[in-house]
Amino acid sequence: KAGVTQTPRYLIKTRGQQVTLSCSPISGHRSVSWYQQTPGQGLQFLFEYFSETQRNKGNFPGRFSGRQFSNSRSEMNVSTLELGDSALYLCASSREENTEAFFGQGTRLTVV
Amino acid sequence: KNQVEQSPQSLIILEGKNCTLQCNYTVSPFSNLRWYKQDTGRGPVSLTIMTFSENTKSNGRYTATLDADTKQSSLHITASQLSDSASYICVVSGPGGYQKVTFGTGTKLQVIP
Repeated sequence: KAGVTQTPRYLIKTRGQQVTLSCSPISGHRSVSWYQQTPGQGLQFLFEYFSETQRNKGNFPGRFSGRQFSNSRSEMNVSTLELGDSALYLCASSREENTEAFFGQGTRLTVV
Repeated sequence: KNQVEQSPQSLIILEGKNCTLQCNYTVSPFSNLRWYKQDTGRGPVSLTIMTFSENTKSNGRYTATLDADTKQSSLHITASQLSDSASYICVVSGPGGYQKVTFGTGTKLQVIP
């Protein structure tokens, strides 16, 4: 059974650009959540999607957005990138809310 | 404000030795507590999940305990191996979904030969 797949694994962007990250959940999982991880802040919740609907949102600015497709794959978009957006972005999938979440390998974003 | 505090921040132990990592939380109400292991540059991997009624749960050489009254949890690693070198993250969830999830900043464990 394939795990959670995130693409790309590494990304370098310049300030002001936008970026789109992709997450393919485990087959049969309908919940996809996104997290930002930085050395100083640890893991922080961005948002969660279930059946194409955003159900929960963390405390991040509107530059961070996402969506989920009918096949449960999810994308996260960050517009007008700032240096502080450099982080490891993790995606996790689960069957339902509050069931065990399985994380992908993450996308390492560097903003220069 | 819901908080999850982990101690120590970092730890170095000799291969074969045991160690215990601590997690104190203020999340209330409480739904479940999870311990994750995260290797450098990789995504976290779930070790244990405990609900309010569970006091202890094991996963191989990893044993987690939970005292919901004092809001404390510990992760005990027995007979450590070099592959145990990683960050261990405590995650506490309240009822009501992902907005009620609070992450600890982790304990960085290094096992040396």
